[in-house]
Amino acid sequence: AQSVAQPEDQVNVAEGNPLTVKCTYSVSGNPYLFWYVQYPNRGLQFLLKYITGDNLVKGSYGFEAEFNKSQTSFHLKKPSALVSDSALYFCAVRDPSFSGGYNKLIFGAGTRLAVHP
Amino acid sequence: DGGITQSPKYLFRKEGQNVTLSCEQNLNHDAMYWYRQDPGQGLRLIYYSQIVNDFQKGDIAEGYSVSREKKESFPLTVTSAQKNPTAFYLCASSMWAGETGEQYFGPGTRLTVT
Repeated sequence: AQSVAQPEDQVNVAEGNPLTVKCTYSVSGNPYLFWYVQYPNRGLQFLLKYITGDNLVKGSYGFEAEFNKSQTSFHLKKPSALVSDSALYFCAVRDPSFSGGYNKLIFGAGTRLAVHP
Repeated sequence: DGGITQSPKYLFRKEGQNVTLSCEQNLNHDAMYWYRQDPGQGLRLIYYSQIVNDFQKGDIAEGYSVSREKKESFPLTVTSAQKNPTAFYLCASSMWAGETGEQYFGPGTRLTVT
């Protein structure tokens, strides 16, 4: 079965330090991977995606993610965290059993990032 | 949240009442989706629609219904058959060539049923 795991419920980091939010996936075939961010009582905002090509993907707000096929991981990273980065982060993978224009996503449970001043 | 509106932001209902959540998009996207979000869980797909007058059940469709009479609109009705309707509901859309495209989300509606 297709699945996404975010092993950490919460990540704490000091402002200015690098941050990593972990994501591993299990999907048949080539994975299409996404990261979204959610601020309190708001919808999800798209950060970045991996479809093919370079394993290091750059996205919005200085975030990047590294695709590692052998480890089936897609960790989100940022070189220097800001307090304003504090939010809930979701990793998602496209469900390959869907086709025809749909993009059914399988979401992880989310990781709460807390950046302390 | 740009391009997708959901209303109302907060909704309170008594148990046993049906309630309809609005979702409108001006992105000219073909596909639209409804998700349910509960604390500590990822988003779960309720219904999705590719074109007008066509929609399919997602993973947790029981107790919900939808319609797609216009490309821009995809309202969700939470019926009295839904056993645990209190949740945060998110609407999303994506382009037709959406197999690799990201979904765009609305701001959500928080439904509380007592």
